[in-house]
Amino acid sequence: QQQVKQSPQSLIVQKGGISIINCAYENTAFDYFPWYQQFPGKGPALLIAIRPDVSEKKEGRFTISFNKSAKQFSLHIMDSQPGDSATYFCAARVEGAGSYQLTFGKGTKLSVIP
Amino acid sequence: EPEVTQTPSHQVTQMGQEVILRCVPISNHLYFYWYRQILGQKVEFLVSFYNNEISEKSEIFDDQFSVERPDGSNFTLKIRSTKLEDSAMYFCASSEIRTAAEAFFGQGTRLTVV
Repeated sequence: QQQVKQSPQSLIVQKGGISIINCAYENTAFDYFPWYQQFPGKGPALLIAIRPDVSEKKEGRFTISFNKSAKQFSLHIMDSQPGDSATYFCAARVEGAGSYQLTFGKGTKLSVIP
Repeated sequence: EPEVTQTPSHQVTQMGQEVILRCVPISNHLYFYWYRQILGQKVEFLVSFYNNEISEKSEIFDDQFSVERPDGSNFTLKIRSTKLEDSAMYFCASSEIRTAAEAFFGQGTRLTVV
């Protein structure tokens, strides 16, 4: 129940295209859903995050869509660029006293080809 | 921009040896975490630390692991007797107490146990 299932495992998109990565969860207590971007040899870096009280959040070319009833959320990267090539992790968190443990999906390796 | 810093970037150790991984969290953050990522796999939670004590730990964080905040700035992860399967990238992260509590990750320490 603590799992976050992420798909696809890898994704190849042409420059200028839309990249879509999906995540699903079971635990309805999750209340914070961040996406992390990780380049090789680096730590995950927070990209964008959403709370379940909104259905969509947009920051530049990155948009999170959130479907609370379906327990699904997705990351859309518009006008994908070669510099977006990285591994993307969705995550989820349950707020609790003294802990903000993140549960990560398995990651999606995105390759944007020119 | 404030960042989480980790040292060393790469540590090679012999099986059975003790290692200490060091982290300097962002100065006004109060929650601290260790995560690990075995090569090619997802990021896994190890432990969270708040108010000078462990607030939550995963099943991975067994008696071989310990954490400490020896002074006002450092946060360490100690592995007492390393095993081959401890080889992974270890990430330190920190977050604020009352905001959206995004966790900021360090660049990681690659631990290789030989």
